[in-house]
Amino acid sequence: DGGITQSPKYLFRKEGQNVTLSCEQNLNHDAMYWYRQDPGQGLRLIYYSQIVNDFQKGDIAEGYSVSREKKESFPLTVTSAQKNPTAFYLCASSIVDRSNQPQHFGDGTRLSIL
Amino acid sequence: AQKITQTQPGMFVQEKEAVTLDCTYDTSDQSYGLFWYKQPSSGEMIFLIYQGSYDEQNATEGRYSLNFQKARKSANLVISASQLGDSAMYFCAMREVSGSARQLTFGSGTQLTVLP
Repeated sequence: DGGITQSPKYLFRKEGQNVTLSCEQNLNHDAMYWYRQDPGQGLRLIYYSQIVNDFQKGDIAEGYSVSREKKESFPLTVTSAQKNPTAFYLCASSIVDRSNQPQHFGDGTRLSIL
Repeated sequence: AQKITQTQPGMFVQEKEAVTLDCTYDTSDQSYGLFWYKQPSSGEMIFLIYQGSYDEQNATEGRYSLNFQKARKSANLVISASQLGDSAMYFCAMREVSGSARQLTFGSGTQLTVLP
């Protein structure tokens, strides 16, 4: 079945450590996105990418980095510069970056500080 | 100013009854898209329904319909014949076309509980 796979489901980070969240899609979608969700709140955009080797910052990009070397993959690194990384992270993709296309989401990764 | 406002943090509905979840939005664009997503306690975001700003008819998808009132800038989700499995968080989201605003902007959500 086509879909978006995020791994791991749960992740723990030590102080000063970088961690990478994986996002893979087999939907042949051009655009991919990373969102952060804090408890009781909506989603906020971290980064997005419309094509391979290109990506743009979202509203809360500080302390995060991404790469888009393959169409199927859009990993997110939470760096040690992100002082409050505990949150639920969701990856999404869409066919093309147009207003009428829904974004399809993975199951998310819950990141916590040790 | 918030672009998407969901004023109902929590809602209760009896099983088999209909429920309306409110959403108002703010944009100066003429072309935009409105989306509703469902997020069960497991966390995944499930796309429910889409309404384009130029669509003249209200969108419907099975038991979901969108009451789109463009002049009032509202896009309320109506769930008919509620089921226990409808208990979840529901998010309204908007996507604008202009400028660099290509992301979905989400509201804060409404927690719906369906009572047996």
